[in-house]
Amino acid sequence: NAGVTQTPKFQVLKTGQSMTLQCAQDMNHNSMYWYRQDPGMGLRLIYYSASEGTTDKGEVPNGYNVSRLNKREFSLRLESAAPSQTSVYFCASTLQGRNTEAFFGQGTRLTVV
Amino acid sequence: DQQVKQNSPSLSVQEGRISILNCDYTNSMFDYFLWYKKYPAEGPTFLISISSIKDKNEDGRFTVFLNKSAKHLSLHIVPSQPGDSAVYFCAASAIRAGGTSYGKLTFGQGTILTVHP
Repeated sequence: NAGVTQTPKFQVLKTGQSMTLQCAQDMNHNSMYWYRQDPGMGLRLIYYSASEGTTDKGEVPNGYNVSRLNKREFSLRLESAAPSQTSVYFCASTLQGRNTEAFFGQGTRLTVV
Repeated sequence: DQQVKQNSPSLSVQEGRISILNCDYTNSMFDYFLWYKKYPAEGPTFLISISSIKDKNEDGRFTVFLNKSAKHLSLHIVPSQPGDSAVYFCAASAIRAGGTSYGKLTFGQGTILTVHP
């Protein structure tokens, strides 16, 4: 049982390049999320998908797009990377409903130069 | 505007003693609170949670206390062990109209706990 799997684990991009971060969960969870972690800021929500077929903006959505490909997979795309997007990105999933904890992937460390 | 705040960036305690990590929040709509533990190069892992209808929840060495009037919660670890050394994040969620939170979490900045042998 892998839980939440993110690929890649590390990536270096040049300013203006694009890339897609992949996330898959095998827990049959309904809801999935993308967070970014920056020093001194905790984790901040970028986008989330409450259920298959729906996506919504979180706290810091600018510069990102997402796709809920199916119930298992939720990808995050940077169309034109900027140095301000240098961060550690975490994907998470939860069962839909009240008061459930989120399960996180191991993270993707992205550096934009 | 930081809605969840952990004002202590770091905490150092001796093995066997109590660790107390604090968290304050400003949004009155928050009604479910969680603590996550994070080791370097890993994702956060769920530790313990508390609903706003309670003021205490205990799980082994970990106890979370909630003071709604003060908008404050704390995590107590007794006794502390060197393996507890990690970053601890406080998080909160608010139930949407209709009763579903969808698990959207607002995190504090984290507190680095170091437990010395």
